[in-house]
Amino acid sequence: EADIYQTPRYLVIGTGKKITLECSQTMGHDKMYWYQQDPGMELHLIHYSYGVNSTEKGDLSSESTVSRIRTEHFPLTLESARPSHTSQYLCASKASVPEETQYFGPGTRLLVL
Amino acid sequence: AQSVTQLGSHVSVSEGALVLLRCNYSSSVPPYLFWYVQYPNQGLQLLLKYTSAATLVKGINGFEAEFKKSETSFHLTKPSAHMSDAAEYFCAVSPMNRDDKIIFGKGTRLHILP
Repeated sequence: EADIYQTPRYLVIGTGKKITLECSQTMGHDKMYWYQQDPGMELHLIHYSYGVNSTEKGDLSSESTVSRIRTEHFPLTLESARPSHTSQYLCASKASVPEETQYFGPGTRLLVL
Repeated sequence: AQSVTQLGSHVSVSEGALVLLRCNYSSSVPPYLFWYVQYPNQGLQLLLKYTSAATLVKGINGFEAEFKKSETSFHLTKPSAHMSDAAEYFCAVSPMNRDDKIIFGKGTRLHILP
């Protein structure tokens, strides 16, 4: 059983608000990821990190930012939420050993009004 | 570059019938291949993965998939569907030398008919 947690699970917020989506894992994984998933669509990688103080943008451009100050914690922040940010955000983590599995959190469903 | 095509965004099978979800991939380097399942309001759970060992891969919940390089396919099968198999299934590919850069297909929603 993977130990990766995301909060909140659901968030409804107004345009212009600053939001932070939390992601934590207790497996000691170095690699962490954020994906965006629209209904009926594939997952797109928006951010990833290979360890503390390492952050990179993914394949899909995103206005969000991330930080990695602690190994277990990889929060995603939107400074000013817009309706176009409405989506599901999935966090994942993976050990650095090759062929190891990428484990996913339960996701955060974000609705921006 | 890698890409994944899942044939059929929705598949319906009767309970007890064979489940077959199709996946074709494109990869410029030897690939790792994955099948993930997503239940409503949950994250993705790994069903099985191919990492260049046996071409027939067995996963959890009775699912298996066969890597066919000549057909660039990695179809998912289960001999007998259960109601609990109703979910969204994602095929994914990554290059062997960058096994964390996973590219996902658009998913296939599996419906189980009583």
